[in-house]
Amino acid sequence: GENVEQHPSTLSVQEGDSAVIKCTYSDSASNYFPWYKQELGKGPQLIIDIRSNVGEKKDQRIAVTLNKTAKHFSLHITETQPEDSAVYFCAAPAAGGTSYGKLTFGQGTILTVHP
Amino acid sequence: DSGVTQTPKHLITATGQRVTLRCSPRSGDLSVYWYQQSLDQGLQFLIQYYNGEERAKGNILERFSAQQFPDLHSELNLSSLELGDSALYFCASSPPTSFNTQYFGPGTRLTVL
Repeated sequence: GENVEQHPSTLSVQEGDSAVIKCTYSDSASNYFPWYKQELGKGPQLIIDIRSNVGEKKDQRIAVTLNKTAKHFSLHITETQPEDSAVYFCAAPAAGGTSYGKLTFGQGTILTVHP
Repeated sequence: DSGVTQTPKHLITATGQRVTLRCSPRSGDLSVYWYQQSLDQGLQFLIQYYNGEERAKGNILERFSAQQFPDLHSELNLSSLELGDSALYFCASSPPTSFNTQYFGPGTRLTVL
């Protein structure tokens, strides 16, 4: 099955700095990579995703890059704000499955943005 | 707000008991997924239903079962509860055109005493 590794487990930045979280996956057949943000007491919220036919996708201060050769993808947050503080999860379809939506999640990164 | 609803928000019960968690997907979504989130195991896929039929299974215990009803809401049944079943249980749904694009509900926090 798919194995997803996420680093770092914790990340502390100053407001206005950039934050980068990286994930590696094992199944070369995987073709969809979402990122979720989970705030305390809430469910994971889909914030951005990328499909394997593109190398980068941006949405305002958030971007995701994908390197299929190296089997890793990264979340980039620019101009961080205190409200970006949360746990971030990456995910990939389990066992290369694109038909059934069985996602494997990374272990999560606790991002803290200091004012 | 993702549009996925879950009830109850909190559930406290004793070992050996049985509970039912309920989920309503977003309007138009036919797939429902159940995940368990615990500190030691992270976010783990349990099971998926599509339009009433089971589609995929993860590491779901035999004591756990689920179903999806004709109105597309789903229930996760947990029986013979153990202390280790204490966790957050999330439901997610996805649109028919993209199974992997999943939207999560607010979760049910289960505490087994």
